[in-house]
Amino acid sequence: DIVMTQSPDSLAVSLGERATITCKSSQSVLYTSNNKNYLAWYQQKPGQPPNLLIFWASTRESGVPDRFSGSGSGTDFTLTISSLQAEDVAVYYCQQYYSTPPTFGQGTKVEIK
Amino acid sequence: QITLKESGPTLVKPTQTLTLTCTFSGFSLTTTGVGVGWIRQPPGKALEWLALIYWNDDKRYSPSLKSRLTIIKDTSKNQVVLTMTDVHPEDTATYYCAHRGHSDGLPYWFFDLWGRGTLITVSS
Repeated sequence: DIVMTQSPDSLAVSLGERATITCKSSQSVLYTSNNKNYLAWYQQKPGQPPNLLIFWASTRESGVPDRFSGSGSGTDFTLTISSLQAEDVAVYYCQQYYSTPPTFGQGTKVEIK
Repeated sequence: QITLKESGPTLVKPTQTLTLTCTFSGFSLTTTGVGVGWIRQPPGKALEWLALIYWNDDKRYSPSLKSRLTIIKDTSKNQVVLTMTDVHPEDTATYYCAHRGHSDGLPYWFFDLWGRGTLITVSS
């Protein structure tokens, strides 16, 4: 199984400031035949199911605000919230879908400083 | 509009069999490429993928739980059922069903829509 490791486990950011979460996979999730990274990001607010934010490492799901962006390739990925809003308080998970079983990171909790 | 809803017992005793039902609308499990998966989340912990069933009745299971899981579909009822045998307290979790995502018309193993989940407690 591919192991996904996120850092940090939690972070506190002031409103309007940037939040950055990293995700590292134990092996590359870049499929060379189509040059796509099989990496997704989810947001989970308290008491709610996960919500898909980004797939292909950098493609925003429809309706996701553009303050959320994803980057990276191979084994190292980043989710950035450019200007943190109160409604962004949540736990964020990365997931690889390069191989089965699909695996998730341990989550990063984002709070307001 | 796609919706999914999980149902099942709230409390199960150790060694019993857990049966969970996902009732969905807004899509058909007879459409090529469509898949419905189950993912669980122990309280305060991370997400763990359990199983997925495809439109053609092909099935995939988590290797670590494969011997205890069975997933089936009932297309006439728009339901997917997951059974887990011999449950343990460590199986206490919120269980989610989710719709497999698509990109450029092709299905992939991310999940674009989730049910609200059902909390299952395993305790005597």
